[in-house]
Amino acid sequence: EADIYQTPRYLVIGTGKKITLECSQTMGHDKMYWYQQDPGMELHLIHYSYGVNSTEKGDLSSESTVSRIRTEHFPLTLESARPSHTSQYLCASSERDATNEKLFFGSGTQLSVL
Amino acid sequence: KNQVEQSPQSLIILEGKNCTLQCNYTVSPFSNLRWYKQDTGRGPVSLTIMTFSENTKSNGRYTATLDADTKQSSLHITASQLSDSASYICVVSDRGSTLGRLYFGRGTQLTVWP
Repeated sequence: EADIYQTPRYLVIGTGKKITLECSQTMGHDKMYWYQQDPGMELHLIHYSYGVNSTEKGDLSSESTVSRIRTEHFPLTLESARPSHTSQYLCASSERDATNEKLFFGSGTQLSVL
Repeated sequence: KNQVEQSPQSLIILEGKNCTLQCNYTVSPFSNLRWYKQDTGRGPVSLTIMTFSENTKSNGRYTATLDADTKQSSLHITASQLSDSASYICVVSDRGSTLGRLYFGRGTQLTVWP
């Protein structure tokens, strides 16, 4: 069982609201990632971090931002939510590089923007 | 262009039966291929990781095969159980380094009926 936690599990919010999706891991992993997944579609990398104070944008353009102030914490923020942001957001971590070893995923946050 | 193609898109089998899921990829250069299991509303969980030199790997009732020449992989599930109902995702890594990336398939949705 992976020690990586996401909150909330489900979030329904109105357009224009600011939201933060939380992700924490207790495995001491340096590498953390945010993926976006729509039903029946592949996962898309939107942000990643290789350690404290390191954040990079992923392959899929996203209006969200991330921060990495502590090793164990990698929150994702949407300043002004829109219906197009409705999706499942998955946080993941790996001890070293994700391309060399397996990723540990959280249970995800299902976001619905009305 | 999606470089990882999975088939079938969905599959229904009876409990106790075997099944095989397919993954074809065009990712190059190739570093490794993994299979993940994703239960509905949860994050993916790693089943197997195979490098170029490995052509088969097992994890309990799950056996993955890899043919790097034809760029094909399969996941065979033996004596299926109701708990095997999930989406099975094929993921290919291209470099196995910080310069590399992961390519995700869209998954095969497996339903096991009693």
